[in-house]
Amino acid sequence: ILNVEQSPQSLHVQEGDSTNFTCSFPSSNFYALHWYRWETAKSPEALFVMTLNGDEKKKGRISATLNTKEGYSYLYIKGSQPEDSATYLCALSTGGGNKLTFGTGTQLKVEL
Amino acid sequence: SAVISQKPSRDICQRGTSLTIQCQVDSQVTMMFWYRQQPGQSLTLIATANQGSEATYESGFVIDKFPISRPNLTFSTLTVSNMSPEDSSIYLCSTGLAGYNEQFFGPGTRLTVL
Repeated sequence: ILNVEQSPQSLHVQEGDSTNFTCSFPSSNFYALHWYRWETAKSPEALFVMTLNGDEKKKGRISATLNTKEGYSYLYIKGSQPEDSATYLCALSTGGGNKLTFGTGTQLKVEL
Repeated sequence: SAVISQKPSRDICQRGTSLTIQCQVDSQVTMMFWYRQQPGQSLTLIATANQGSEATYESGFVIDKFPISRPNLTFSTLTVSNMSPEDSSIYLCSTGLAGYNEQFFGPGTRLTVL
């Protein structure tokens, strides 16, 4: 059974703060690492899919890094806004076929 | 990308009854996946629904409890049978598309079993 861990479990920040979350995973049999944002009552939305050690990806104020050798990924949000409030999930794929193993998520609340 | 709809969006059911959740994709896809998230837990894969063959279940999930249908390349159903309060979860379907690395998810079905 794969163990994908995320920390912190929840986070409250003020508008304008920058923040980051961690996803750790077993480095053996790595295929891809996914980050999703999941807002209540909506579909989880893919943010990034990373496959290469040292990958860095950016989408607006959100960026992510990947270290497959040591088995971790960081997600950064710069200048948090209330609309960033959501649960951020990471998921590990160990092969093709799109089967994903998810972490428990980090619940972010951005307050005015 | 793929647009996925699910019905119902939420339901409250009595212990011992069954609920069928529908998942519709706006394009033809080979595999569809069913996940659940119990309170405080991670999204966990229940099974992979393949068109034209039986679903493939993950460890801890069985066909008698979670029968799945996949009548065509755009549609699947998951039934939660003989429900107990432990089945209270969010159930999501998802799929992948050729040329995309990410999975696309439906909005989920929030089930409460009393």
